[in-house]
Amino acid sequence: AQSVTQLDSHVSVSEGTPVLLRCNYSSSYSPSLFWYVQHPNKGLQLLLKYTSAATLVKGINGFEAEFKKSETSFHLTKPSAHMSDAAEYFCVVSEYNDMRFGAGTRLTVKP
Amino acid sequence: DAGVIQSPRHEVTEMGQEVTLRCKPISGHDYLFWYRQTMMRGLELLIYFNNNVPIDDSGMPEDRFSAKMPNASFSTLKIQPSEPRDSAVYFCASSLGQGRIWTEAFFGQGTRLTVV
Repeated sequence: AQSVTQLDSHVSVSEGTPVLLRCNYSSSYSPSLFWYVQHPNKGLQLLLKYTSAATLVKGINGFEAEFKKSETSFHLTKPSAHMSDAAEYFCVVSEYNDMRFGAGTRLTVKP
Repeated sequence: DAGVIQSPRHEVTEMGQEVTLRCKPISGHDYLFWYRQTMMRGLELLIYFNNNVPIDDSGMPEDRFSAKMPNASFSTLKIQPSEPRDSAVYFCASSLGQGRIWTEAFFGQGTRLTVV
């Protein structure tokens, strides 16, 4: 069965600096991978997805993630953080009839 | 499409009462999921349906919880009797399956349940 590990429970950056949220996964086959964002008191919104096409995936709000099979990683990055990026981020791995969520990474953006 | 619609958005009930949460998935989606989110346990999958049929309910915490999907456009999650430890945000999500490749799941805004 697949699993996903978000390596940091909390990341704090200054506005305008790069963001890196780390995600490692394990999977028996070729999984689909997703990043979701959850703002306070809101539902989860899809940021981006990887489904065996290009390994560098671009999402909304300037985020992107790179699928690295050799490292079993799917890290989320953004060149320059904005205050509105402060939220909880979830990495998700999916294959067949099973979707697993990471524990989440809380991103804080300081002025 | 208006997205996944959940009702109510907030529910406060007394211990022992029955609670029913409702969900309308995105039209055309064939998978429906119920999740529970708490600070302690994060996001937990409770149950999911495919074409209105429950496929995996192993995440349902106990017999007090039940879920139904009488048709493709409506699902309910019922807790009877409710307990304070059931207090959480409950999310419904829907997805379109394409063989073994799942498209992304679309989430509703959630129902915040407080049992006092």
